[in-house]
Amino acid sequence: ELKVEQNPLFLSMQEGKNYTIYCNYSTTSDRLYWYRQDPGKSLESLFVLLSNGAVKQEGRLMASLDTKARLSTLHITAAVHDLSATYFCAVDQETSGSRLTFGEGTQLTVNP
Amino acid sequence: NAGVMQNPRHLVRRRGQEARLRCSPMKGHSHVYWYRQLPEEGLKFMVYLQKENIIDESGMPKERFSAEFPKEGPSILRIQQVVRGDSAAYFCASSRRNQETQYFGPGTRLLVL
Repeated sequence: ELKVEQNPLFLSMQEGKNYTIYCNYSTTSDRLYWYRQDPGKSLESLFVLLSNGAVKQEGRLMASLDTKARLSTLHITAAVHDLSATYFCAVDQETSGSRLTFGEGTQLTVNP
Repeated sequence: NAGVMQNPRHLVRRRGQEARLRCSPMKGHSHVYWYRQLPEEGLKFMVYLQKENIIDESGMPKERFSAEFPKEGPSILRIQQVVRGDSAAYFCASSRRNQETQYFGPGTRLLVL
């Protein structure tokens, strides 16, 4: 059974600082996704990572994938308050028929 | 191009009643997925459907829950005889093809009294 673990689960940081969220998964994966969720809202797709060594960047967020280590990272550069949200990684496998298995989420709070 | 639409956005039911949640996928998307999010938890897969077919229902509780995606109209997740433990946010997602990015709707927040 595929398991996806994120850490930390809670992250409080100051504006301007850098930090990394980690996502480990237990078996080989075809795709890894990062989503953002604001309180009481839906999930917004941030990144799709398809292959080993993939790196994608959007603004202050950068995601990478190491399929050999079964690890993805979401790096936050010079955080701003608007980045406060819960971030989920999710993995799918062809053998699981396209269903996504989500991590527990990382609740990020950026303090002024 | 409208996104994934779900209604109602909020639904209150008393124990024993039925809940019907609707999802209209994005235009051009024929794959629909339902997920449930309990408070302070991640999303858990429930069911994957294509038009008129259930592809994977391995995440659905065996009793009281059913889903359909008819040839015409939205996908419907139906919960019979709701219990307090059914209180959660139910999200629908859609994709154009198998194993492409899933786009999520706004969710239906079900509260069972």
